[in-house]
Amino acid sequence: GDSVTQMEGPVTLSEEACLTINCTYTATGYPSLFWYVQYPGEGLQLLLKATKADDKGSNKGFEATYRKETTSFHLEKGSVQVSDSAVYFCALSSGANSKLTFGKGITLSVRP
Amino acid sequence: GAVVSQHPSWVICKSGTSVKIECRSLDFQATTMFWYRQFPKQSLMLMATSNEGSKATYEQGVEKDKFLINHASLTLSTLTVTSAHPEDSSFYICSARRWTGENQPQHFGDGTRLSIL
Repeated sequence: GDSVTQMEGPVTLSEEACLTINCTYTATGYPSLFWYVQYPGEGLQLLLKATKADDKGSNKGFEATYRKETTSFHLEKGSVQVSDSAVYFCALSSGANSKLTFGKGITLSVRP
Repeated sequence: GAVVSQHPSWVICKSGTSVKIECRSLDFQATTMFWYRQFPKQSLMLMATSNEGSKATYEQGVEKDKFLINHASLTLSTLTVTSAHPEDSSFYICSARRWTGENQPQHFGDGTRLSIL
């Protein structure tokens, strides 16, 4: 079945540091890929998405490129802020009902 | 952007009571809504998929008689935890998907923290 693998966390960075969070997937067909962010005590918010190979999703300075050859969708940001501290989930959806399959999530803490 | 409202955000109940959680899509019609459960510091576990006007589809291992789902309109789905016990304590999150187009993203509510004493 479909699966999403995220790098182990947590990740702690200083403000303005560069961020990369790895995500790889296994799926049949051609899934859509997503990054969701969860701030403390809240539900998930869609951060960015890509629906086909080589698409780049971007939002709030975050980027991720759909790499079919490496089945990856790594999340990157050139300069993180304290307000980026949250849990980040990589996810894919496929099939007619578009059910989401989530990775385990990774906690990012950004120090001032 | 798309807004999904979930209510209540936090509830504490005695063991044996039933708790209803509402999920509303405020500015779009959602033919499909999803219910998730999240344990502390873990990922979301899909419990069931709710389609308007039809019975919900439950994931393997989820008791349909325990977690009753009703999707009576294009903007409202409810999850009722029946005869709740302490092991049902968790963070429950709903999401809604627009009816148009494939690969539409799911929009999530802010979650409901359920504590059963």
